[in-house]
Amino acid sequence: GDSVTQMEGPVTLSEEAFLTINCTYTATGYPSLFWYVQYPGEGLQLLLKATKADDKGSNKGFEATYRKETTSFHLEKGSVQVSDSAVYFCALSGRGGGGSQGNLIFGKGTKLSVKP
Amino acid sequence: DTAVSQTPKYLVTQMGNDKSIKCEQNLGHDTMYWYKQDSKKFLKIMFSYNNKELIINETVPNRFSPKSPDKAHLNLHINSLELGDSAVYFCASSQRTATNEKLFFGSGTQLSVL
Repeated sequence: GDSVTQMEGPVTLSEEAFLTINCTYTATGYPSLFWYVQYPGEGLQLLLKATKADDKGSNKGFEATYRKETTSFHLEKGSVQVSDSAVYFCALSGRGGGGSQGNLIFGKGTKLSVKP
Repeated sequence: DTAVSQTPKYLVTQMGNDKSIKCEQNLGHDTMYWYKQDSKKFLKIMFSYNNKELIINETVPNRFSPKSPDKAHLNLHINSLELGDSAVYFCASSQRTATNEKLFFGSGTQLSVL
């Protein structure tokens, strides 16, 4: 079945460091891909998304490119801040696809801690 | 003001008890969901309702029963609670348009079964 694999955390970085969180997926068809972020004590929020191959999603300085050839959607940010400390989830749209987010399949999450 | 609100935020109870978690959204969305996040942060969908009708029902014990009195509410009732039910339960809602869909999550209910 469809699945998402993320790099295991926790990831600890100093402020202004470069961030990469790896995400690869297995899916039939052409799913949409998402990154969600969960700040401490809160629910998940959509960070960015890409709906087709070679699309780049971006938001708040974060970027991820939908790479069909490598089945990847790695999250990157050039200069992280303390406020970026959170858990990051990669996800794909499950059965019913078409970009529908309701039946999301999530990765296990990667905890990021940014130190001043 | 809160778009998706769920109560209670924390729930501590004994094995064998029956408990409910309530969820309400004021976004006018047609679809609502329940997700379960385990201690390792793994997040998995449990149920999905569209306009009060069940559309996704993953492999969940029948001790879990969602109830949607109207499209703004999706409550989760759990009978005969077990230790393994301890987790954070997230409610979410969405409205799909021709060009976009975005999932909005509540802040979670942390359930601890003792």
